[in-house]
Amino acid sequence: EPEVTQTPSHQVTQMGQEVILRCVPISNHLYFYWYRQILGQKVEFLVSFYNNEISEKSEIFDDQFSVERPDGSNFTLKIRSTKLEDSAMYFCASSGRRQGLAGLRSYNEQFFGPGTRLTVL
Amino acid sequence: KNEVEQSPQNLTAQEGEFITINCSYSVGISALHWLQQHPGGGIVSLFMLSSGKKKHGRLIATINIQEKHSSLHITASHPRDSAVYICAVRLNTDKLIFGTGTRLQVFP
Repeated sequence: EPEVTQTPSHQVTQMGQEVILRCVPISNHLYFYWYRQILGQKVEFLVSFYNNEISEKSEIFDDQFSVERPDGSNFTLKIRSTKLEDSAMYFCASSGRRQGLAGLRSYNEQFFGPGTRLTVL
Repeated sequence: KNEVEQSPQNLTAQEGEFITINCSYSVGISALHWLQQHPGGGIVSLFMLSSGKKKHGRLIATINIQEKHSSLHITASHPRDSAVYICAVRLNTDKLIFGTGTRLQVFP
């Protein structure tokens, strides 16, 4: 069964360093997402990506964050200068093509990767 | 203000018990998701529904759009069902808004 994969599973970095988290979405999916979960807190939306551009982003997703789909398979999240408060679990997700009837839009299920645990020291 | 509320926050059960986890939301949604998060952190999608009821094995999810409420039921619970169960809603955009989760422990 196809699945979303993420690397690395755990990343430790020094404050101020740049990190790149990598995701390989399910191959025929077109919509990609990043979420994060700070330890003990709920999962929060960061950004959605479609057709090589950001379709929506949250207030958390400031200028320190960027996303890219550098080739046909990878989807990356870059944090330019990490802060202590960026320590969290980062989840990538992907979903397939939207289907809908006129005047009614339905959205496909999102499939999540296993997550990357980022620790900023 | 929490747009998605789950209850209970923690739940313990004996193996074989029938489990119900509730989710209430305060906004108009296009779909509601039930997700399972294991101790290692990985998230698995259980259901996506926008009306009615869905069943998969021992899991049943229902939603009442008028009352803005959904329930996840587990029949004949088993220790391997122990996990955090998360309700998440989708507005008229792509993003999901998550509840805080219900931590379920099933004892043999």
